[in-house]
Amino acid sequence: DIQMTQSPSTLYASVGDRVTITCRASQSISNWLAWYQQKPGKAPNLLIYKASSLESGVPSRFSGSGSGTEFTLTISSLQPDDFATYYCQQHDSYPLSFGGGTKVEIK
Amino acid sequence: EVQLVESGGGLVQPGGSLRLSCAASGFTFSAYLMHWVRQAPGKGLVWVSHIDGDLSTRYADSVKGRFTISRDNAKNTLFLQINTLRAEDTAVYYCARDRGGGFFDSWGQGALVTVSS
Repeated sequence: DIQMTQSPSTLYASVGDRVTITCRASQSISNWLAWYQQKPGKAPNLLIYKASSLESGVPSRFSGSGSGTEFTLTISSLQPDDFATYYCQQHDSYPLSFGGGTKVEIK
Repeated sequence: EVQLVESGGGLVQPGGSLRLSCAASGFTFSAYLMHWVRQAPGKGLVWVSHIDGDLSTRYADSVKGRFTISRDNAKNTLFLQINTLRAEDTAVYYCARDRGGGFFDSWGQGALVTVSS
């Protein structure tokens, strides 16, 4: 099974900051990686799939990169609506698996 | 507009059973692979099971033999039968649509299952 590890687990940032979250896979997953945003009490929302493809309707300040075992989600200029928890998910093979999450909090 | 609405959650005693439903609308349900994903209180997301349009299924090892996923394409509804419930099954259960590639482009609002005596 593929293990996904995110870092950091918590990130403190201010509005306007550039934010980067890292996700590592325990083996190569090519570019089969998705990113989700989840707010308290709500279902996750797809941001990025296939490592760098932006989901329709998602602001362009979100971007994804990486391949193989190391991936990043970048928010170019953090907005008040972006304070949330972010999860990566490998969609290379079953069982599908998620990272442990990164909570973005106000500094 | 794609909509997924779960129902059937609740408080169940250990060893009990429950059936979750997920009513789908706004898309051709039979054409999509559907999943269940769960999230224990304060924890991360965990994939549970999927079912394809041709009714082929997969399960996480942690639920194999206790959970059964099924679908009724005529009624646009996804199901998850959960048997022999354990405290560690306490979670919000989400149904999710697979875009086609193993990632989830639409989610329901979630159904809370609490296993406690």
